[in-house]
Amino acid sequence: QKEVEQNSGPLSVPEGAIASLNCTYSDRVSQSFFWYRQYSGKSPELIMSIYSNGDKEDGRFTAQLNKASQYVSLLIRDSQPSDSATYLCAVSLNSGGYQKVTFGTGTKLQVIP
Amino acid sequence: DVKVTQSSRYLVKRTGEKVFLECVQDMDHENMFWYRQDPGLGLRLIYFSYDVKMKEKGDIPEGYSVSREKKERFSLILESASTNQTSMYLCASSSPTDTNYGYTFGSGTRLTVV
Repeated sequence: QKEVEQNSGPLSVPEGAIASLNCTYSDRVSQSFFWYRQYSGKSPELIMSIYSNGDKEDGRFTAQLNKASQYVSLLIRDSQPSDSATYLCAVSLNSGGYQKVTFGTGTKLQVIP
Repeated sequence: DVKVTQSSRYLVKRTGEKVFLECVQDMDHENMFWYRQDPGLGLRLIYFSYDVKMKEKGDIPEGYSVSREKKERFSLILESASTNQTSMYLCASSSPTDTNYGYTFGSGTRLTVV
């Protein structure tokens, strides 16, 4: 079982719809959770971080965390063609005194105009 | 507004060459990382450093070494480049005092070994 799992997609949504991106993780002691956006040919860019169960909203983005189910998701409201990118889920835990971050392989999102 | 700078965007090297990839950050971050990214495999950690002159192996350190002589600079060295090291190399930095505790990535170096 992969430590961080994401559906590779592509996930296609029409412009203006809600895009829902999901991620599961295997280590129950994971502490911090991140979503990165990566445009084709570019490097990842941090867009959301979440540490506590529940929802965290930032503009059109909402991160949702459920530690009991080991599940984190990213909702993008009013999706725009400019949101078309690969979204990486990352999970962090304290390992041997260091923060170990593991990335998923990403979900490709396509927003259709 | 560039915060993490990688010295080369594209690089072509020959098999057996010693290759240096440089990364400089201007955010006074303690932590620096080197990843490679390959299709279907995602980001894989090569080496990381939490302080000057300190280094730790990541998940795939074989064939690589690193150097951190100054806080702002973290270098990745391919001792003898091989074709299976053709990849996108990403440098990142972070600070444990940052409330988001996320990474800032450089723009990446696409290395081709022929």
